[in-house]
Amino acid sequence: GDSVTQMEGPVTLSEEAFLTINCTYTATGYPSLFWYVQYPGEGLQLLLKATKADDKGSNKGFEATYRKETTSFHLEKGSVQVSDSAVYFCAPLSGSARQLTFGSGTQLTVLP
Amino acid sequence: EAQVTQNPRYLITVTGKKLTVTCSQNMNHEYMSWYRQDPGLGLRQIYYSMNVEVTDKGDVPEGYKVSRKEKRNFPLILESPSPNQTSLYFCASRTSGRGDEQYFGPGTRLTVT
Repeated sequence: GDSVTQMEGPVTLSEEAFLTINCTYTATGYPSLFWYVQYPGEGLQLLLKATKADDKGSNKGFEATYRKETTSFHLEKGSVQVSDSAVYFCAPLSGSARQLTFGSGTQLTVLP
Repeated sequence: EAQVTQNPRYLITVTGKKLTVTCSQNMNHEYMSWYRQDPGLGLRQIYYSMNVEVTDKGDVPEGYKVSRKEKRNFPLILESPSPNQTSLYFCASRTSGRGDEQYFGPGTRLTVT
C-alpha cells in the first residue's frame, strides 16, 4: 500500500523565515498528493494538492511541486507568519488505495 | 455549508461503558472514515466505508465497530471502551474521485478512565 515519510518535527522558526517540510512517498502508479493543515484545536483541512507530475499546488503562500522522479512533495513557504503555526500532514492517494495515507505530521511553531 | 459534524465533541467515560460517537456529512460523499490521533503516532485510520452497507477495517480496528446504514451517517461504536482508547477521534468524508479533497469533522476528545 501507500506510505509516506515526513520530516520530523517539531520545527521552530522566526517570523518571515523560509520554510521547507520534506515529504517523500511510496505509491503505485500516479498518486494524487495532498498537504493538510491542522490548526490548534481544529480538524484537518486541505492546504493544497497536485494530481499529476510536475504540477504545483499553492495556497496561502504555500507551494509544493509533484516530483515523480524523486517521489517527493515538499512543502515550502517563503516567509512564514505566526498564524502558520500548526501541524502539517502530507498524504498520497493512489488509484489502488481506498483511503488517504497520512504522514506522521510536522509541528510548526513560528515565533514573533 | 459543506461540513462534517461529530458529536459529542468531548466525552469522559469509564471502562466498559458502551458509547457511540456520531458522524454526519451533508455533501453526499460516498467515502467516509474514522481516524484516531495520538501524540507521536500521527493519524491512524480505524475503519472506512466506500458506500452504504460497505465497510472495511483500517490500520487499528480492534475494539471499534462502525455501521453505514445511510449515506450521510457513519457512527463509531465502542462496545467496551478501555483506557488505551483515550484519544482524539476524527471523522472524514470525500467523493470517490482520486483528486478530490477529504473533509474532516472538528474532532471528538475521548477520555476513558
